Amino acid sequence: QVQLQESGPGLVKPSETLSLTCSVSGGSVSSSSYYWSWIRQPPGKGLEWIGYIYYSGSINYNPSLKSRVTISVDTSKNQFSLNLTSVTAADTAVYYCAGGQSLNPWGQGTLVTVSS
Amino acid sequence: QLVLTQSPSASASLGASVKLTCTLSSGHSSYAIAWHQQQPEKGPRYLMRLNSDGSHSKGDGIPDRFSGSSSGAERYLTISSLQSEDEADYYCQTWGTGIPWVFGGGTKLTVL
Repeated sequence: QVQLQESGPGLVKPSETLSLTCSVSGGSVSSSSYYWSWIRQPPGKGLEWIGYIYYSGSINYNPSLKSRVTISVDTSKNQFSLNLTSVTAADTAVYYCAGGQSLNPWGQGTLVTVSS
Repeated sequence: QLVLTQSPSASASLGASVKLTCTLSSGHSSYAIAWHQQQPEKGPRYLMRLNSDGSHSKGDGIPDRFSGSSSGAERYLTISSLQSEDEADYYCQTWGTGIPWVFGGGTKLTVL
């Protein structure tokens, strides 16, 4: 079964770019069965969908983040990635990757703090 | 605009049953949703996909105590024989082609 694991820096400075990677095991990132999504959760708050990339290259982003977000796939490494530019303290959150339209499975999440 | 509405909180006694509700916005009553559970200090876990006709497919290892049903724009998650580990936040989520995917605000379930 597919398993996901997020990785990346836990601390990012304001105005810089947040970059995270989600490694896919037990399946292929090129599979037509999955939309590969990023979701985040600020401390003490609910879940916010960031966007997805489909194996065909189709992309869909949350309009509130669209100007700052890029999601891409690296088929050679069986990974997909998130870049979020010009971060502020409001981008501090646990970031999750997930597969499929119904977000099954989820990665375990990684906390990213934006601070100088 | 696609919106999911959940009550912020719910409570029920140990061993009892509870029914959580997720309401789809007007014009979206045919959409499927997914239910996710987030226990304290843990990441979310997929519980089930729930279709508009009430059919549902649960995730691996999800107990039979968890079931889903639908009526119009309402999507329900019923948990029977409540256990202490069911105390968690429950989120509904939906999707569509070319539109932003959406989470409900979550329901915090307290097991008394």
